[in-house]
Amino acid sequence: SQTIHQWPATLVQPVGSPLSLECTVEGTSNPNLYWYRQAAGRGLQLLFYSVGIGQISSEVPQNLSASRPQDRQFILSSKKLLLSDSGFYLCAWSVGVNEKLFFGSGTQLSVL
Amino acid sequence: EDKVVQSPLSLVVHEGDTVTLNCSYEVTNFRSLLWYKQEKKAPTFLFMLTSSGIEKKSGRLSSILDKKELFSILNITATQTGDSAVYLCAVEYAGGTSYGKLTFGQGTILTVHP
Repeated sequence: SQTIHQWPATLVQPVGSPLSLECTVEGTSNPNLYWYRQAAGRGLQLLFYSVGIGQISSEVPQNLSASRPQDRQFILSSKKLLLSDSGFYLCAWSVGVNEKLFFGSGTQLSVL
Repeated sequence: EDKVVQSPLSLVVHEGDTVTLNCSYEVTNFRSLLWYKQEKKAPTFLFMLTSSGIEKKSGRLSSILDKKELFSILNITATQTGDSAVYLCAVEYAGGTSYGKLTFGQGTILTVHP
């Protein structure tokens, strides 16, 4: 069966520090991969999605970037974190024409 | 701009009550509407709706879509404390590079008291 792993679960980082969140999917090939952010009291906002290795689409201009170095690995990064980057980050995957998203357990990021 | 609006934003009920959660949308090239339940962390999938008027049902939960009026409702009957969660509505839009992308509503926080 398919599983998705996301880490770390919580992260506290100072302003200006770098960020790297990792997400891996097991049990499927060529998944569509997504990074979402959920700010406090708000819905999920799509940040990036990828339909294949090295193919990244950005939905909103921001301080973050994403990379997909392997088929089932998706990384969210920042060179210098801002206070406004705080939030709950969710990785998700889907396959083919079935658009149900399956989510990782999320990372709670606090930038202080 | 694509928009998904959920109401109410929060709801407090007692066990045994029936609740109705609402989701309205304005999306170009609508493809499907999905409901998720988010407890603590990762959202879990509840329903996918693509056709108007066809009710999807799973235990005490049911949902229906009205593509003419652009809304969906999620019903929960005989609520239990385990139903306490954030319920998210999302709309998928079709075409071009929009493949597989969802726009989420802000969620409804449901609290069920014993």
